[in-house]
Amino acid sequence: KNEVEQSPQNLTAQEGEFITINCSYSVGISALHWLQQHPGGGIVSLFMLSSGKKKHGRLIATINIQEKHSSLHITASHPRDSAVYICAVSPGGETSGSRLTFGEGTQLTVNP
Amino acid sequence: EAGVTQSPTHLIKTRGQQATLRCSPISGHTSVYWYQQALGLGLQFLLWYDEGEERNRGNFPPRFSGRQFPNYSSELNVNALELEDSALYLCASSFGFLTSYEQYFGPGTRLTVT
Repeated sequence: KNEVEQSPQNLTAQEGEFITINCSYSVGISALHWLQQHPGGGIVSLFMLSSGKKKHGRLIATINIQEKHSSLHITASHPRDSAVYICAVSPGGETSGSRLTFGEGTQLTVNP
Repeated sequence: EAGVTQSPTHLIKTRGQQATLRCSPISGHTSVYWYQQALGLGLQFLLWYDEGEERNRGNFPPRFSGRQFPNYSSELNVNALELEDSALYLCASSFGFLTSYEQYFGPGTRLTVT
């Protein structure tokens, strides 16, 4: 079993729909990261969370430390949101630092 | 402010050769992380450098090695290249390491081994 599990693996939505991507992890963490990867490979960090909820524009990320679960929500989705969304966790600390363990990613396609 | 830069963008090598990939972190960042994304596979942690020292390495053979220079730039070396080393190699940088910091990724180097 992977330390970081994401669902769904693939998601197709119509423009304007509300989207949720889920992430569960099984290890102790100091932070959870949501990343976006566009075709060609470039990765952008969307959020880093250790508790609660963060919002940036149409994106919202939440984390429940007790349940070891996080969600990424996209409101009013747009075709430009089409990308792979990756959940990753970092253990923190002197030994492991911010090294990331990644989920397999969710391929999101938003159709106009 | 300049982001994380990597060179070269593409690299084509023959099996058995050595490859050297380079990364320059964001100014002020002391930690550099290397990750591998092989075709059809997820991202995997390779190596972590901070303040010139290798702090941690992932589950990769010793032919994957690297170093960090006094200016915090880093080099990843892959010796005795194998076909399965073909992948996108991403470098990321962050402040320090005692807690989790946001990582900033470079554009990657796509290594093809023929």
